[in-house]
Amino acid sequence: QVQLQQWGAGLLKPSETLSLTCAVYGGSLSGYYWAWIRQTPGKGLEWIGEINHGGSTTYNSSLKSRVTISVDTSQNQVSLKLSSVTAADTAVYFCASGVVHYFDGWGQGTLVTVSS
Amino acid sequence: SYVLSQPPSVSVAPGKTARIPCGGNNIGSKSVHWYQQKPGQAPVLVINFDSDRPSGIPERISGSKSGNTATLTISRVEAGDEADYYCQVWDRSAGVLFGGGTKLTVL
Repeated sequence: QVQLQQWGAGLLKPSETLSLTCAVYGGSLSGYYWAWIRQTPGKGLEWIGEINHGGSTTYNSSLKSRVTISVDTSQNQVSLKLSSVTAADTAVYFCASGVVHYFDGWGQGTLVTVSS
Repeated sequence: SYVLSQPPSVSVAPGKTARIPCGGNNIGSKSVHWYQQKPGQAPVLVINFDSDRPSGIPERISGSKSGNTATLTISRVEAGDEADYYCQVWDRSAGVLFGGGTKLTVL
């Protein structure tokens, strides 16, 4: 099973762009779906979007206008960009992987706080 | 839009059986996956495709589906089972959807 390690800026100001990276160890990007999922403090899980091994993306309609998920196959990494953040985007962000539309691999999570 | 409904909390005594429901319209036509999440940790997949257990998940944990409800069942509940549990489906229109989560408390 692949291991996922993620990183990125943990403190942003409103209107800035959130940028997170997820490195994949012990396997290639091929044959998997790579998703970003967030969890607001004390609340449930929200799917942000995903990219498949062919490079096709699907996004949550509520975030679609601000989200970009991409892969760098040379680095074995998956990235998330979320533009124009507000306090409502404060959450723990997870990268996750799966063969179909469920996730059996997860990153450790990154807390992103948006505050002026 | 498609919605998955879970009770906010379920309580059970040690050694007893916990059942966590996940309701959704026509859920029978969708594959349901379940995750366990302990405080400060990432979720862990415990059931996929309604009732399949990934490697390493104890047989005490099982999944089923009937009508408009999927159910996660934990038999012989232990203190270590205390966690939040989420159901999840794929919807062709909405993408990946999670239930609101159920906090399992072991009394």
